[in-house]
Amino acid sequence: AQSVTQLGSHVSVSEGALVLLRCNYSSSVPPYLFWYVQYPNQGLQLLLKYTTGATLVKGINGFEAEFKKSETSFHLTKPSAHMSDAAEYFCAVKGGGGRRALTFGSGTRLQVQP
Amino acid sequence: NAGVTQTPKFQVLKTGQSMTLQCAQDMNHNSMYWYRQDPGMGLRLIYYSASEGTTDKGEVPNGYNVSRLNKREFSLRLESAAPSQTSVYFCASSSGRGYTYNEQFFGPGTRLTVL
Repeated sequence: AQSVTQLGSHVSVSEGALVLLRCNYSSSVPPYLFWYVQYPNQGLQLLLKYTTGATLVKGINGFEAEFKKSETSFHLTKPSAHMSDAAEYFCAVKGGGGRRALTFGSGTRLQVQP
Repeated sequence: NAGVTQTPKFQVLKTGQSMTLQCAQDMNHNSMYWYRQDPGMGLRLIYYSASEGTTDKGEVPNGYNVSRLNKREFSLRLESAAPSQTSVYFCASSSGRGYTYNEQFFGPGTRLTVL
């Protein structure tokens, strides 16, 4: 079975500061990993994904994440936060076998202070 | 190209009432999903459909039924609503067959309150 743990339900940063959102996973098979963003009163939008290959993955809006198998982590980073980055962020792992459904973490709400 | 659409956007029910949440996608995707989102719990899978004519239970299926009406549409039914079903419901779809996997696209959600 797969599971995802996101450390910190709320993260607050200043505009221009580094954003670091933490995600650890457990998976019985090589994982596919995802970060989604949810803006207020909207659905989820894919930020980036790791399936195979390069472990540093670049996504939209300047975000990137690094897959570290030894640490079972897939932390999301952005060098410089912008006010528009304020949202809730979800880490997810794909189910094993032929199951395509995702298992989501509990989410991290990012607040950006001016 | 509307992507994934859901109706209604908001709904208030009384305990014991029934309703159907509708979802449609115009991306010719094979797989469709229903999730519920509750504060502090992320999204949890209710049911999914890997292809037209098939449905499977997810993590929290109790109290729900689904119908994959055709390739485009996947509905979620609450036969007898309970306050514990107050939540935001998201429909999603993805392409790919077998062991290939492509990203899931999400609808805007339905906010349901059961009194």
